[in-house]
Amino acid sequence: DADVTQTPRNRITKTGKRIMLECSQTKGHDRMYWYRQDPGLGLRLIYYSFDVKDINKGEISDGYSVSRQAQAKFSLSLESAIPNQTALYFCATERTGSYNEQFFGPGTRLTVL
Amino acid sequence: AQSVTQLGSHVSVSEGALVLLRCNYSSSVPPYLFWYVQYPNQGLQLLLKYTSAATLVKGINGFEAEFKKSETSFHLTKPSAHMSDAAEYFCAVTADTGRRALTFGSGTRLQVQP
Repeated sequence: DADVTQTPRNRITKTGKRIMLECSQTKGHDRMYWYRQDPGLGLRLIYYSFDVKDINKGEISDGYSVSRQAQAKFSLSLESAIPNQTALYFCATERTGSYNEQFFGPGTRLTVL
Repeated sequence: AQSVTQLGSHVSVSEGALVLLRCNYSSSVPPYLFWYVQYPNQGLQLLLKYTSAATLVKGINGFEAEFKKSETSFHLTKPSAHMSDAAEYFCAVTADTGRRALTFGSGTRLQVQP
């Protein structure tokens, strides 16, 4: 089984809808991250969490929210989806003290019409 | 502040040729530097990392990178390209592994011609 899983893998939705992307990990890592990937822009950090009670905004957090329900679960929500949130979303995990070696999930491809 | 610049969004080499992917960083304090690879339809995986030990870092699949402080560079190389190296490569930097997240470059897509 994969260490970092993301659900759903693909999602098409309409403008204004609320969407939740979920990430689960079995690696026992304390840190978790959400990124979005757009062609030519690389990965940009949306939110990150160093433990269940420590959540931080990344460089592009507007329009997104997160919930760290447990050490193993980190969810990303789009409260009211808009077309420019169409992107590939990645979750990643990291163990504190591992020099930022991150382990990525397979990604969720989100299309907002 | 920290940032990385990857020169060349697309690089094409012939199988067996040298691979050189360029990365320059900006950091106000000594950086930690990383190269990640993304194969088609997959997430990223770590190739190698520089954490202030040896300046020449060896990674998986025959890749290596050299940290050059004077040039603020961390270029990725491989002596002989293989078809399976075709992927997108990302350079990343952090200046503080304690409380700061990684900053990624925009990526370089490597194409390997037979």
